[in-house]
Amino acid sequence: EVQLVESGGGLVKAGGSLRLSCAASGFTFSEKSMNWVRQAPGKGLEWVSSITTGGSYKFHADSVRGRFTISRDNAKNSLYLQMNNLRVEDTGVYYCVREIGSTSSMDVWGRGTTVTVSS
Amino acid sequence: QSVLTQPPSVSAAPGQKVTIPCSGSSSNIGNHYVSWYQQVPGTAPKLLIYENNKRPSGIPDRFSGSNSGTSATLAITGLHTGDEADYYCGTWDSSLSGKVFGGGTKLTVL
Repeated sequence: EVQLVESGGGLVKAGGSLRLSCAASGFTFSEKSMNWVRQAPGKGLEWVSSITTGGSYKFHADSVRGRFTISRDNAKNSLYLQMNNLRVEDTGVYYCVREIGSTSSMDVWGRGTTVTVSS
Repeated sequence: QSVLTQPPSVSAAPGQKVTIPCSGSSSNIGNHYVSWYQQVPGTAPKLLIYENNKRPSGIPDRFSGSNSGTSATLAITGLHTGDEADYYCGTWDSSLSGKVFGGGTKLTVL
């Protein structure tokens, strides 16, 4: 079964850091580009970051660029999101998401991990 | 404000058809594939349509996607109460060098 399981969320004060992890199973992780997508409470989906198969190319939304860094370890079938200088507006559910080819479509979503940033 | 524009809500009766529009520009929908996602509140989104009009395995043919210029449309026929959810369009934006989503449309089956 194809599965993505996020971990690492929690409560942190503004200005703090968190590292999210995503464990992938059931598919060849190294062959898929991966993403983080977040959803603030009661709001819509917001793309956060993407990383290509080998990790050479990384893309970040303007709202997190310079503060968040996406990375991956293909040997461990794992995706990461290092989040620094967190802001209250970073609060939400963070989803680890698999991408289909090069079409920007995202076909497998984890259940999400919740990040809460307090002031 | 989202880069892609969707109506906040739509509604229709059971058994009827509903369409959800998604409006963008030449930097996104006009030159890149569109996907559609369904999200039941409290759960993760699910891919309904990719590459404008293709359905992943397991998605019924009641769901269809189409594009015209800088707009895309999701159509759902034979509505039933289980289709009540939030629906999002998404694509790549070459001006932003990132993925973008619509603000989401809440479907109510009356």
